Amino acid sequence: EAQLVESGGGLVKPGGSLILSCAGSGFDFSYAWMSWLRQAPGKGLEWVGRIQSKAAGESTDYAAPVKGRFTIARDDFRKTVYLQMSSLKIEDTAVYHCTTGGGYDGFEDWGQGTLVTVSS
Amino acid sequence: DIQMTQFPSSLSASVGDRVTITCRASQNINRYLNWYQYKPGKAPKHLINAASSLQSGVPSRFSGSGSGTDFTLTISGLQPEDFATYYCQQSYITPPTFGQGTKVEVK
Repeated sequence: EAQLVESGGGLVKPGGSLILSCAGSGFDFSYAWMSWLRQAPGKGLEWVGRIQSKAAGESTDYAAPVKGRFTIARDDFRKTVYLQMSSLKIEDTAVYHCTTGGGYDGFEDWGQGTLVTVSS
Repeated sequence: DIQMTQFPSSLSASVGDRVTITCRASQNINRYLNWYQYKPGKAPKHLINAASSLQSGVPSRFSGSGSGTDFTLTISGLQPEDFATYYCQQSYITPPTFGQGTKVEVK
């Protein structure tokens, strides 16, 4: 059974940076596309971005609100995907989930999420 | 971006009820439609992909239908563990987009 565990959330000031990690187990991590999604307080789910598998070219895509500020990377040896966030804004406050997939088949397995709060 | 509209935004139901949630896409997405169950503090659950294909381990009381722009999620015989928020999501075109959610509450 696939398991995803996010870590690295916390309180950060506007303009600051933070790196989230997501450790995967119970599936073939190196072949999985990995995605990040978020849910802001009182709002719905929002896609943040994804990284394809190395076999698929390890290409990345990002949502418009985070493009140029967030970067997704993966370490297949450590079975971990990262979300590097910089120039954080108050509106980036959310619970961030990592997931497997993100292509035509949707977001298959999810982590419980990690809370990022951007506040002065 | 493709806009996904879900309705109702919330509904009240009792255990055993049949519940139907509707999702409409702003353009044709064929059958690239997913449904998720979201409970606060828990890992969201992928229920259905390709509009009607039940994910492994999902109870058969959940079913999905539709194609093109109009889709439905039906729960036949609501169980206590089904009280949650449900989201539809299109996976046809990047960026993937979600409906605003339907909260299923206890009547």
